[in-house]
Amino acid sequence: GQSLEQPSEVTAVEGAIVQINCTYQTSGFYGLSWYQQHDGGAPTFLSYNALDGLEETGRFSSFLSRSDSYGYLLLQELQMKDSASYFCAVPNAGKSTFGDGTTLTVKP
Amino acid sequence: NAGVTQTPKFQVLKTGQSMTLQCAQDMNHEYMSWYRQDPGMGLRLIHYSVGAGITDQGEVPNGYNVSRSTTEDFPLRLLSAAPSQTSVYFCASSYDGVSSDEQFFGPGTRLTVL
Repeated sequence: GQSLEQPSEVTAVEGAIVQINCTYQTSGFYGLSWYQQHDGGAPTFLSYNALDGLEETGRFSSFLSRSDSYGYLLLQELQMKDSASYFCAVPNAGKSTFGDGTTLTVKP
Repeated sequence: NAGVTQTPKFQVLKTGQSMTLQCAQDMNHEYMSWYRQDPGMGLRLIHYSVGAGITDQGEVPNGYNVSRSTTEDFPLRLLSAAPSQTSVYFCASSYDGVSSDEQFFGPGTRLTVL
């Protein structure tokens, strides 16, 4: 089976940096994805790590350590619009498994 | 491109009624999936398809049927609605289910079963 653990809530102030962690237990592993979901909206893809290390896309970065079964999403220069839920996910040929999500609240 | 479309956006059913949630994509993606999302929780996979004519069960398939007669369409059927099926349903598609898994989600169908 697959299971992913991530914190339920994180709060930070505008302009700060926040890290959202994800640990996983899977029977087969190809990589780790991250999605963003604003309240009432559909999830949107942010990043995917197939290899160990850091992937940077603008203000967002994602990290993976296969040996530790661990990854994180790093959000820099936080903006109010970053307030949303963030999900880590393990893809597997159409059978993606998602964590329960981390609700990020950005305060002025 | 319209991306992934879902109809209806909202639906209220009575216990025991049946209905079909529609999903279509115009990106020629082979992989399509149905998820349900309950309040404060992540997405749970109901059924998925890796191509026309091929479907398989996900984590929570009971009470739901799917078929995939074309690449574009992937309808989800509720056989006999129950209050436990009150949820938000998302359809998603992806080009490759493994190498990047960038899934594109539809806007969702908000279903209430009374």
